[in-house]
Amino acid sequence: AQTVTQSQPEMSVQEAETVTLSCTYDTSESDYYLFWYKQPPSRQMILVIRQEAYKQQNATENRFSVNFQKAAKSFSLKISDSQLGDAAMYFCAPNNAGNMLTFGGGTRLMVKP
Amino acid sequence: SQTIHQWPATLVQPVGSPLSLECTVEGTSNPNLYWYRQAAGRGLQLLFYSVGIGQISSEVPQNLSASRPQDRQFILSSKKLLLSDSGFYLCAWTQGGVNEKLFFGSGTQLSVL
Repeated sequence: AQTVTQSQPEMSVQEAETVTLSCTYDTSESDYYLFWYKQPPSRQMILVIRQEAYKQQNATENRFSVNFQKAAKSFSLKISDSQLGDAAMYFCAPNNAGNMLTFGGGTRLMVKP
Repeated sequence: SQTIHQWPATLVQPVGSPLSLECTVEGTSNPNLYWYRQAAGRGLQLLFYSVGIGQISSEVPQNLSASRPQDRQFILSSKKLLLSDSGFYLCAWTQGGVNEKLFFGSGTQLSVL
């Protein structure tokens, strides 16, 4: 079974600054994907970014990027130029062979104006 | 384009009453379907998933059951609700390929009193 740990229950960042959310996981899969989802106050789950484990290059989506360390089983999310709309719960989730995602406990990100 | 509908948005039920939450997907065929539950301030826990009509897999033993009477319809049920069934329930789908991202419904907030 997979386990996912997000060690930061809450994080705070100043608008326009950069913040990094951490995630570590444990998996026996050799080929898998990792996802970061965002859940704003509306509670709608929104995909932020996706990383293929067999790719060494870190994924990037506009202001969002990841630092993927496969050997360490670490998958952190970096948000650059933080905006007020980035305030949300962020969940890290690796998948397994059946494409079932295991979610971490989440990190609540607050953005200060 | 594909859309996912989940209803109702909010539900308040007494202990011991039955439950039926419905989820439908439009614009695709033979999706993989999932039910997740989110306790307050926590991550998502996978309850059930289905790869086809009548095919249901349960991830955790509990007071709930799921059914898939049609290709794009997924129903979460209970004969008698418990207080511990309270939570935010999310339906999700993927196209069925490996490592596909999940698309989530808008969720149902269930309060059992």
